[in-house]
Amino acid sequence: QKEVEQNSGPLSVPEGAIASLNCTYSDRVSQSFFWYRQYSGKSPELIMSIYSNGDKEDGRFTAQLNKASQYVSLLIRDSQPSDSATYLCAVKWKDTGRRALTFGSGTRLQVQP
Amino acid sequence: EAGVTQFPSHSVIEKGQTVTLRCDPISGHDNLYWYRRVMGKEIKFLLHFVKESKQDESGMPNNRFLAERTGGTYSTLKVQPAELEDSGVYFCASSPYRGLPYEQYFGPGTRLTVT
Repeated sequence: QKEVEQNSGPLSVPEGAIASLNCTYSDRVSQSFFWYRQYSGKSPELIMSIYSNGDKEDGRFTAQLNKASQYVSLLIRDSQPSDSATYLCAVKWKDTGRRALTFGSGTRLQVQP
Repeated sequence: EAGVTQFPSHSVIEKGQTVTLRCDPISGHDNLYWYRRVMGKEIKFLLHFVKESKQDESGMPNNRFLAERTGGTYSTLKVQPAELEDSGVYFCASSPYRGLPYEQYFGPGTRLTVT
């Protein structure tokens, strides 16, 4: 079983809708969580980080963390065709001295005009 | 502010040859990381530098891979000799020492093809 799991998709939503991307992680002490957006052939771009339970909002993006249920999600409001990309979930575990990120395989989002 | 840069963007080599990848982190970032993504798999951690020191090498696959960061600025990752299974995209990332040290900023990657 992978430590960070994402549905590969594609997740297809109409323009203007809310896109909901989910990520679950293994039963291991976690510290922080990140969402990256990656366009084909480009670098992963950090869009959100979240460290504590609850919601964190930044513009059209909201990250939600529930450590008891071991999931983190990303909501994109008013989805635009330019949001079409692969969204990567990454976790930093609470291992002393280690800063390595563990990535999921990514969810491909398609926003239909 | 310039982002993380990597060179070359694409490299095609034959099995048994040597390749050296270069990464220039964001100016002032003490932390530098190497990751790679092989076909169909998720991005996996290779190693982490703090300035010129190797902090964590736990992800390096074998001794054919050698990473250096002389002077604590740019870093190189050498693969010698390259094998077919080394093909993939090699990403570099960096983060500042203070502030939010856990947020990592990625470069565009080097696509390595071993034939």
